[in-house]
Amino acid sequence: AQSVTQPDIHITVSEGASLELRCNYSYGATPYLFWYVQSPGQGLQLLLKYFSGDTLVQGIKGFEAEFKRSQSSFNLRKPSVHWSDAAEYFCAVEAGGSYIPTFGRGTSLIVHP
Amino acid sequence: DVKVTQSSRYLVKRTGEKVFLECVQDMDHENMFWYRQDPGLGLRLIYFSYDVKMKEKGDIPEGYSVSREKKERFSLILESASTNQTSMYLCASSSPTSSSYNEQFFGPGTRLTVL
Repeated sequence: AQSVTQPDIHITVSEGASLELRCNYSYGATPYLFWYVQSPGQGLQLLLKYFSGDTLVQGIKGFEAEFKRSQSSFNLRKPSVHWSDAAEYFCAVEAGGSYIPTFGRGTSLIVHP
Repeated sequence: DVKVTQSSRYLVKRTGEKVFLECVQDMDHENMFWYRQDPGLGLRLIYFSYDVKMKEKGDIPEGYSVSREKKERFSLILESASTNQTSMYLCASSSPTSSSYNEQFFGPGTRLTVL
């Protein structure tokens, strides 16, 4: 069975600084990988996903993520954080074809002005 | 604009009450899911359904049941609510056949408090 680890419970950055949120997964084959964002009081929204091909994936809101098979990682990055990026971020992994993702415990992003 | 709606944003119930949480999606998605979200635990899958009248247990089905009589509607039932079921409940839908392959679309959530 697949699993996901988000090592950081909270991350604090200053507005305009760069951001990297870590995600490590455990799965034997090539997984399907997702990053979702949850703004306060809202449901989750997909930021980006990786199924195959180019290991650097571009998403919405200026986010990108890189799949590194050798490190079993799928870290989320943004070059310059905006105050509106303050939210909870979830990494998810799906065994291809199962249609059922496993979510990490989430990382809460705090943005200082 | 695609949408997943949940019947209530906030709900307060008493211990022992039967509770219904309703979820409706307008995207003709085959798959529907119920999760509970608790601080520090992320999202945990309660039940999912991949077709009308079909259901499968997720990771934490105890104390819950579900119903899917129509493709667009997926209901979560707490037969006898208990205080440890106080949580945020999220509904989601997805489709393996659409261009948004397996992207999950989430409702806004129902925050349930059981007193």
